[in-house]
Amino acid sequence: NAGVTQTPKFQVLKTGQSMTLQCAQDMNHNSMYWYRQDPGMGLRLIYYSASEGTTDKGEVPNGYNVSRLNKREFSLRLESAAPSQTSVYFCASSPSEQGGETQYFGPGTRLLVL
Amino acid sequence: DAKTTQPTSMDCAEGRAANLPCNHSTISGNEYVYWYRQIHSQGPQYIIHGLKNNETNEMASLIITEDRKSSTLILPHATLRDTAVYYCIVRATFGNEKLTFGTGTRLTIIP
Repeated sequence: NAGVTQTPKFQVLKTGQSMTLQCAQDMNHNSMYWYRQDPGMGLRLIYYSASEGTTDKGEVPNGYNVSRLNKREFSLRLESAAPSQTSVYFCASSPSEQGGETQYFGPGTRLLVL
Repeated sequence: DAKTTQPTSMDCAEGRAANLPCNHSTISGNEYVYWYRQIHSQGPQYIIHGLKNNETNEMASLIITEDRKSSTLILPHATLRDTAVYYCIVRATFGNEKLTFGTGTRLTIIP
């Protein structure tokens, strides 16, 4: 049982390049989340998905798109990366569609945009 | 979700109990107190949560005051691996709103 996995672990992009961050969970959870964490700050929610086929904006959605590919996988896409998107990205999942329970986090993806 | 206030940093000697306070004076009746921690460069890790009764699990104990306006997370025998940033979060158990991570308390365990 791997929990929440994220790929890649590290990535360096040039301004304007695109990339997709992958997240998968093997706990049969319904809800999944994408957060970003900037140095010395708390996590901020980018997007979340209450169930397969649904997605909703969080606190800082601009510049990102998401896809809930199936129940296991929730990807985050940067269409045209900007230096302001340099951050650590964490994916999380929780059991029910209603949310509110414990969230389980992945190890993070460290992204540097030059 | 109610706002929380935590000290910026704390030290604790290895082997002693670490007591981390949290104020949440605007908590409402349907809101739980959650504690997470983040060890350097890792994803946040759930520790414990509670509504109004004290709770204990294999990691920690949570003491909530009777008026629910504050709580204390207790790590009974702190080890060096407990060095981390600890976040106190108050939220309802329904809805898909974000977990609001503030700046937390940076706990350093001293050998």
